[in-house]
Amino acid sequence: AQSVTQLDSQVPVFEEAPVELRCNYSSSVSVYLFWYVQYPNQGLQLLLKYLSGSTLVKGINGFEAEFNKSQTSFHLRKPSVHISDTAEYFCAVSASYNTDKLIFGTGTRLQVFP
Amino acid sequence: DTGVSQDPRHKITKRGQNVTFRCDPISEHNRLYWYRQTLGQGPEFLTYFQNEAQLEKSRLLSDRFSAERPKGSFSTLEIQRTEQGDSAMYLCASSSGGTQTFGPGTRLTVT
Repeated sequence: AQSVTQLDSQVPVFEEAPVELRCNYSSSVSVYLFWYVQYPNQGLQLLLKYLSGSTLVKGINGFEAEFNKSQTSFHLRKPSVHISDTAEYFCAVSASYNTDKLIFGTGTRLQVFP
Repeated sequence: DTGVSQDPRHKITKRGQNVTFRCDPISEHNRLYWYRQTLGQGPEFLTYFQNEAQLEKSRLLSDRFSAERPKGSFSTLEIQRTEQGDSAMYLCASSSGGTQTFGPGTRLTVT
């Protein structure tokens, strides 16, 4: 079975500052990894995903994440955040042989201040 | 492609009542998923369909919950004899075997 740990429940940051949201996973098999964003009262929107290949993955809205197999991590980064990035961010994992069962972390609330 | 839609967006019900939610997936997607998200938590997998076949059910899906996808298109999730612990956001997603696309969710409040 897979599991995901998001180490920070809340991350406050000022506008235009860099940010990193941390995600660690556990699995005995190879995995696919995802970051989703959820704005208030909305569903989840895919930011980026790692399936294979380059360990640095670029997504929408200027976000990127790096897959680190040795540290079992998939941290999300953005070099300069905007007020509009304020949202809940979820890391998710699936076994590479079964993409039908996504396991989500508990989420990180990113709060961007002016 | 209008995305995944869910109806209603909000539902308030009294304990003991039955409720039914609907999900319309992206038309070319043959797989449909239901998740539950409680306050402060990530979504938890409930069940999924490939076409009209329900292929997996989580232990979270008690006997009071039933999901159907009769023609392999839209799906319904029914909760019978609702309890206060059923209060949550119910999310639907669809895929064609790859990345799941989520709908806006139905927020259920049981009073």
